[in-house]
Amino acid sequence: EPEVTQTPSHQVTQMGQEVILRCVPISNHLYFYWYRQILGQKVEFLVSFYNNEISEKSEIFDDQFSVERPDGSNFTLKIRSTKLEDSAMYFCASSETIAGGGGNIQYFGAGTRLSVL
Amino acid sequence: SQKIEQNSEALNIQEGKTATLTCNYTNYSPAYLQWYRQDPGRGPVFLLLIRENEKEKRKERLKVTFDTTLKQSLFHITASQPADSATYLCAPPGGGGNKLTFGTGTQLKVEL
Repeated sequence: EPEVTQTPSHQVTQMGQEVILRCVPISNHLYFYWYRQILGQKVEFLVSFYNNEISEKSEIFDDQFSVERPDGSNFTLKIRSTKLEDSAMYFCASSETIAGGGGNIQYFGAGTRLSVL
Repeated sequence: SQKIEQNSEALNIQEGKTATLTCNYTNYSPAYLQWYRQDPGRGPVFLLLIRENEKEKRKERLKVTFDTTLKQSLFHITASQPADSATYLCAPPGGGGNKLTFGTGTQLKVEL
């Protein structure tokens, strides 16, 4: 069964360093997302991406964050200068369809645990 | 603002019983609502989607209801098994876009 894959599974970095989290969405999916989950809290939306541009972003997704689809298979989240509060699980997701009454089933990767020291 | 509420207290039930989890939402009217399962340290896994014109949806031992008047969805697992132990997340769409807005989730523990 097709799945979303994320690498690395765990990333440890020093405060102020740049990190890139990588995702390979399901191959025929057109919509891509990043979510994060701080330990013990709910899953929060960061950004959605379609047709090579950001379609929506949350207040969390400030100038320190960026996303890119550098080729036909990868989807990356970059944090330019990490802060302690960026420590969380980051989940990539993809979907085949969009919302608008039809439903928007999203398939999630296993996540990258980011630890900022 | 939009609000999703799930019972934050863990639900402990005996194997074989029916588990019922509740999701209440306020300040909006989603066209559909999804339920996901999340195991510790893992990403959410899609279970069921129910649309506003559907009262009930079933898949094997799972059943979801959607009451747009009460602004509530109920998620049932019948003949529960220890393998059903996980956190269950309610996820209506967030606003007009494609994002999902997750509730805090309810942790279910099925005991032998």
